[in-house]
Amino acid sequence: AQSVTQLGSHVSVSEGALVLLRCNYSSSVPPYLFWYVQYPNQGLQLLLKYTSAATLVKGINGFEAEFKKSETSFHLTKPSAHMSDAAEYFCAVSYYSSASKIIFGSGTRLSIRP
Amino acid sequence: NAGVTQTPKFQVLKTGQSMTLQCAQDMNHNSMYWYRQDPGMGLRLIYYSASEGTTDKGEVPNGYNVSRLNKREFSLRLESAAPSQTSVYFCASSQPPVEKLFFGSGTQLSVL
Repeated sequence: AQSVTQLGSHVSVSEGALVLLRCNYSSSVPPYLFWYVQYPNQGLQLLLKYTSAATLVKGINGFEAEFKKSETSFHLTKPSAHMSDAAEYFCAVSYYSSASKIIFGSGTRLSIRP
Repeated sequence: NAGVTQTPKFQVLKTGQSMTLQCAQDMNHNSMYWYRQDPGMGLRLIYYSASEGTTDKGEVPNGYNVSRLNKREFSLRLESAAPSQTSVYFCASSQPPVEKLFFGSGTQLSVL
């Protein structure tokens, strides 16, 4: 079944530290992968997406993610956290065979310590 | 541009009551979706419509029905509301295969 797993429901980092949010997908077929962010009391917005071009994908606000087929992973990183990055982050997946069916992970809440 | 418009924004129901959540998009997108968001569970797909005239079950379809009225509109119906359906519901649309989802502002539904 199509699914995506986000390890860690809550991640806390210090301002200026590396941000690493983990996402693993389950599939033997090529996926499309997405990261979305939801700020408090707002809707979701797209950070970045993987569509089988470059394996390292750069998104908005300094975030990037690397597609690793061997690990079935698509972890989100940012070299230096800002207070404004505090939000909930969702990984999502769809597949070439059913590109319209988009499944989200359970989300990771990112907190930034001053 | 309106984007994706959902109504109502808030609703309180009693157990057993029915209601329909309305959703419309003005971006000429083929695909439309209904998700529910619950704390700790992320967004779960209820139903989706890949194109006008088609609908498919998502992860949690039980207790819900949908209608893709035309290309613009996709409604979600709760025939007999249950407390377990208390949630925030989001409608979304996209132009597949890899375009981003555009979300409505959400409907906060409480079933007492």
